Amino acid sequence: AQTVTQSQPEMSVQEAETVTLSCTYDTSESNYYLFWYKQPPSRQMILVIRQEAYKQQNATENRFSVNFQKAAKSFSLKISDSQLGDTAMYFCAFMNPNNAGNMLTFGGGTRLMVKP
Amino acid sequence: EAGVAQSPRYKIIEKRQSVAFWCNPISGHATLYWYQQILGQGPKLLIQFQNNGVVDDSQLPKDRFSAERLKGVDSTLKIQPAKLEDSAVYLCASSLAGPLRAFFGQGTRLTVV
Repeated sequence: AQTVTQSQPEMSVQEAETVTLSCTYDTSESNYYLFWYKQPPSRQMILVIRQEAYKQQNATENRFSVNFQKAAKSFSLKISDSQLGDTAMYFCAFMNPNNAGNMLTFGGGTRLMVKP
Repeated sequence: EAGVAQSPRYKIIEKRQSVAFWCNPISGHATLYWYQQILGQGPKLLIQFQNNGVVDDSQLPKDRFSAERLKGVDSTLKIQPAKLEDSAVYLCASSLAGPLRAFFGQGTRLTVV
């Protein structure tokens, strides 16, 4: 079974600065997908970024980028030029496409607060 | 396009009572998921439907939880009887095929007292 661990329960950052959220996972699979989701107080999970394990290039989406270290099973999220609207819970998730259900396995989350 | 709709947003019930949640996925999305998110934790998959068939319900407590997706569109999740530990947010998500681009609803927050 896969496990996803987020070791930082809470983080804070000043507006306009950069912050990195950590995620590690455990799997014996070689092909899989990793995700970062944002959950604001509205509770709706919003996909931030996705990485395919067979791609060596780190994914980027505007101010969001990842540092994917496959050998270390590490998948961190970097948020540049932090904005007040980035304040939310952030969840790292894993998906094994070889499973029939393709279910997402989530970490425990990191609460990020962006301070003005 | 309209998002995933869930109702109610909030529900408070006493233990041993029954409760039902409703989810209307994005039009055309064949895959529908129900997740349970206990306070302070990440979501955990309860059940996944592909059209009106169940793909994965291995983590659904079948002695008290049930779900259906009649006609492969709307879905309901029921708990009967509820326990205190069922207090959580119940999230519904849908996708065209698989979770690579799943869209989530705003969830139903259940409090069992």
